[in-house]
Amino acid sequence: DSGVTQTPKHLITATGQRVTLRCSPRSGDLSVYWYQQSLDQGLQFLIQYYNGEERAKGNILERFSAQQFPDLHSELNLSSLELGDSALYFCASSVGGGDNGYTFGSGTRLTVV
Amino acid sequence: EDQVTQSPEALRLQEGESSSLNCSYTVSGLRGLFWYRQDPGKGPEFLFTLYSAGEEKEKERLKATLTKKESFLHITAPKPEDSATYLCAVQADNYGQNFVFGPGTRLSVLP
Repeated sequence: DSGVTQTPKHLITATGQRVTLRCSPRSGDLSVYWYQQSLDQGLQFLIQYYNGEERAKGNILERFSAQQFPDLHSELNLSSLELGDSALYFCASSVGGGDNGYTFGSGTRLTVV
Repeated sequence: EDQVTQSPEALRLQEGESSSLNCSYTVSGLRGLFWYRQDPGKGPEFLFTLYSAGEEKEKERLKATLTKKESFLHITAPKPEDSATYLCAVQADNYGQNFVFGPGTRLSVLP
């Protein structure tokens, strides 16, 4: 157990729907990062939050949004889902800037049918 | 254009057969190069951070080295439990605190 908790582990939903993925960072970590991993794209950075504030954005679609709450847990919202959104979504956390690496959760596998 | 590549894409070794994985990068202002191990269906697990050319880090059968253009992950006398995908990632001035990951090398160690 890495200490980063992601729920749910698996999610199957239909095209056009909206889902919310949840992440609880490791105790003491203030930064939360979201990554998408698909077979053809590898690990792609989506967005980072630090202590409740958005810090950086990567290749995140406009249909996707995220937030980090006062208790530091984070949610990734995916809407108007398409087949191509099927992927593993990972959350990672770090104390600060991740200079010593991130701690990743075990991911949420999203399947859009 | 900034890029992180890894080779080979896949590698099959016999138990005890040592080898090396390569991570090549072309980025401006490298702040750190990171190696992760990923088992199927799981999140990447942090292995090493290298910050400057000439630096080396070791952990059990793994040794990571860094030059100005590439990093190597040397695996000495591997065991079947070393089978995994090995990912390298770079942190650079252009990316803030975030990583750009390479595509990974899928390692299989046969008993």
